[in-house]
Amino acid sequence: ELKVEQNPLFLSMQEGKNYTIYCNYSTTSDRLYWYRQDPGKSLESLFVLLSNGAVKQEGRLMASLDTKARLSTLHITAAVHDLSATYFCAVDGGATNKLIFGTGTLLAVQP
Amino acid sequence: DSGVTQTPKHLITATGQRVTLRCSPRSGDLSVYWYQQSLDQGLQFLIQYYNGEERAKGNILERFSAQQFPDLHSELNLSSLELGDSALYFCASSVEGISLPGAGDTEAFFGQGTRLTVV
Repeated sequence: ELKVEQNPLFLSMQEGKNYTIYCNYSTTSDRLYWYRQDPGKSLESLFVLLSNGAVKQEGRLMASLDTKARLSTLHITAAVHDLSATYFCAVDGGATNKLIFGTGTLLAVQP
Repeated sequence: DSGVTQTPKHLITATGQRVTLRCSPRSGDLSVYWYQQSLDQGLQFLIQYYNGEERAKGNILERFSAQQFPDLHSELNLSSLELGDSALYFCASSVEGISLPGAGDTEAFFGQGTRLTVV
């Protein structure tokens, strides 16, 4: 069964610093998603990564996918307070037709 | 606004009761997914429908059931409710089933959720 793990679970960082969130998954998949969730709110789609080596960037966030290592990263550059949220990766379960979410990473950016 | 509409936004009910959550997908989306989000379990996939047919099942309890109607809206029915069923229930929709061949960069868009509190 597909398992998706994220680390760290909680990340407290200062404004202006850089950091990376990691997403590991257990079975082969060619499609990975990153979502953002503000407290009590819905999930907002950030990135769709479709192939090995895919890299996408939006503002201070950059996501990449290594399908051979079954690893995706979400890199945060020069963090600002507005980036505080919970970030989820989700993996396409392929033949199972399931979109499986990771545990989430709660990011708190301190001024 | 994702275009996915869920009603009601909040629901408070007693143990043993039955409730129905409703989801209207984005216009043109054929696939609907239901998720349960709780503090201890995280985001759990419940069930997926594609164009009226059940496509995939996750950790959905036997007390729960869902369906997708001809107009593509979906309902999630929760019965014999227990305190532990209190959670945020999300519906998501996508144009194609995400795992279908040729789905490309299909992504799932989420509704605002229904917060269910069982007392």
